Amino acid sequence: QSVLTQPPSVSAAPGQKVTISCSGSTSNIGTYYVSWYQQVPGTAPKLLIHDNIKRPSEIPDRFSGSKSGTSVTLGIDGLQTGDEADYYCAAWDSSLSAVVFGGGTKLTVL
Amino acid sequence: QLQLRESGPGLLKPSETLSLTCTVSGDSSSGRGYYWGWIRQPPGKGLEWIGNIYYSGSTYYSPSLKSRVTISFDTSKKQLSLHLTSVTAADTAVYYCVREGIHYYDARVDFWGQGTLVTVSS
Repeated sequence: QSVLTQPPSVSAAPGQKVTISCSGSTSNIGTYYVSWYQQVPGTAPKLLIHDNIKRPSEIPDRFSGSKSGTSVTLGIDGLQTGDEADYYCAAWDSSLSAVVFGGGTKLTVL
Repeated sequence: QLQLRESGPGLLKPSETLSLTCTVSGDSSSGRGYYWGWIRQPPGKGLEWIGNIYYSGSTYYSPSLKSRVTISFDTSKKQLSLHLTSVTAADTAVYYCVREGIHYYDARVDFWGQGTLVTVSS
């Protein structure tokens, strides 16, 4: 069982918007920055969002991050078939003194 | 552009020690200013953080692996190393070498190696 909780799967049609939630506690998300990663099967993960809401320059603005209390949300707008992948949230946990990942969410673009 | 390349044995027997090396290229800083680490992913499962190290040598490890893992960084050779003792089948995974942020608590990995599959089997 992961310290950070994500839904196992989400789906939406091309062009639509989807959100992926990640919930934690005051020892991780509530205190520290969260990052989001996209992993296409068979490849290494890629950083999508860091510091809760910031995008690396090469990431399109269709991807967004938000935070409320001990939960964060990844938003993907204008869905494309190429967005089909697994998505992971990650944060530092002060109780464990370690980085913890969510269990991952599989995005299907119908 | 920073590149990370993992190398090491792909097959181990139970109870052996897993030893991986990651060669860093394209980085003029010799590793300074960042945390470097290892993340693994068992086949068909999610990501698991193993630990990280600052160029000065300070380390953080996953509590579940702490008793068996050692991470080191040779700044002169620009090589990151991972040693995991007493491996079992549960340690079968793709192991990624990564560059993290400037703080140990960043959870930000902006560079990943391609990953290397390590299988533990008798």
